[in-house]
Amino acid sequence: QKEVEQNSGPLSVPEGAIASLNCTYSDRGSQSFFWYRQYSGKSPELIMSIYSNGDKEDGRFTAQLNKASQYVSLLIRDSQPSDSATYLCAVNEPYNQGGKLIFGQGTELSVKP
Amino acid sequence: DTGVSQNPRHKITKRGQNVTFRCDPISEHNRLYWYRQTLGQGPEFLTYFQNEAQLEKSRLLSDRFSAERPKGSFSTLEIQRTEQGDSAMYLCASSRRDRNNEQFFGPGTRLTVL
Repeated sequence: QKEVEQNSGPLSVPEGAIASLNCTYSDRGSQSFFWYRQYSGKSPELIMSIYSNGDKEDGRFTAQLNKASQYVSLLIRDSQPSDSATYLCAVNEPYNQGGKLIFGQGTELSVKP
Repeated sequence: DTGVSQNPRHKITKRGQNVTFRCDPISEHNRLYWYRQTLGQGPEFLTYFQNEAQLEKSRLLSDRFSAERPKGSFSTLEIQRTEQGDSAMYLCASSRRDRNNEQFFGPGTRLTVL
């Protein structure tokens, strides 16, 4: 079992819709969870971080964390074509808050005008 | 606010040659990380430093790879005797110790080994 799993997609949504991206992780010792956006040929850009169970909202983005289910998600409201990118879920190394991040393979999102 | 910078942005080399990449972190960040990313995959951890101390190395980091961070500022990643399988994007990230490990990435160095 991979440590961090994401559906590779592509996930296609129409402009203005809600895009829902999901991620599961295998180790309960992880405490910090991150979503990165990566445009083709570019480096990952941090867009959300979440540390506690529940929802965290920032503009059109909402991150959701459920530690009991070992599940983290990202919702993008009012999706725009400029949101088309690969979204990477990352989880900190278990029991090492300052250590490496473990990434999923990413979900490719396509927002159609 | 100056972000993480990496040089060179692109490197093409022949198999068997040595290459060195440089990373300059965000100035107040004391942690620096190296990752490698291949097409269709998420970044894979290579090594990280807290100040000048190298705290962890991945088993992916063979003895052909070495990283340094003298004086706890910039870092270099050297690959000796490059192989075609080393072709990838090499990413550097930095973070502050008191910021819950939020890591910010540089633009990356794309290595092509012919």
